[in-house]
Amino acid sequence: DIQMTQSPSTLSASVGDRVTITCRASQSISRWLAWYQQKPGKAPKLLIYKASSLESGVPSRFSGSGSGTEFTLTISSLQPDDFATYYCQQYNSFPYTFGQGTKLEIK
Amino acid sequence: DVQLLESGGGLVQPGGSLRLSCAASGFSFSSYVMSWVRQAPGKGLEWVSGISGRSGSTHYADSVKGRLAISRDNSKNTLYLQMNSLRAEDTAVYYCAKALSGDSSGYYYDDAFDVWGQGTMVTVSS
Repeated sequence: DIQMTQSPSTLSASVGDRVTITCRASQSISRWLAWYQQKPGKAPKLLIYKASSLESGVPSRFSGSGSGTEFTLTISSLQPDDFATYYCQQYNSFPYTFGQGTKLEIK
Repeated sequence: DVQLLESGGGLVQPGGSLRLSCAASGFSFSSYVMSWVRQAPGKGLEWVSGISGRSGSTHYADSVKGRLAISRDNSKNTLYLQMNSLRAEDTAVYYCAKALSGDSSGYYYDDAFDVWGQGTMVTVSS
């Protein structure tokens, strides 16, 4: 199975900050990577697919980059609504696997 | 509006069975790969199973292979997860999820999940 490792596990930041979350795959997944946002008690929401494609309706302050084994999710200017947990997911091969999550907290 | 609505969760004893349903609306259901993803209390997301648009291809996580079975009824726009021989470690919220892109061929394809249901809780406990 492909292991997905996110860092950091927890991130404290302030409104207006630029933040970056990293996701590393244990083997190459080309660009078959998605990023999701999840708030407590809610279903995940797709933000980015194919490593850097922005899902329709997602604010442009979210961006993704990377290929192969290293990927990043960047939020250019944090808004109050962005404090949540973020997951990366590979869909290059079965079983699809998720990172352990990064909890973005208010500093 | 594209919607997924799960049902069928509940409390079941270890070794018991349960069938989850996911009613889909607002899109051409048979053209999309569908999946189940679960989340144990306080834990991360785990992909469980996926099925092609015309049910010809199914895939499972090793942790559920042989115990859980995914299926779909395209005439009813409904996805199912038959859960047998349930264990305490199957306790989770179960989400159904739709693949981002559609493919009228009915074959399986890999894709991100763009629409999720609200989830249904399954608790396995005596």
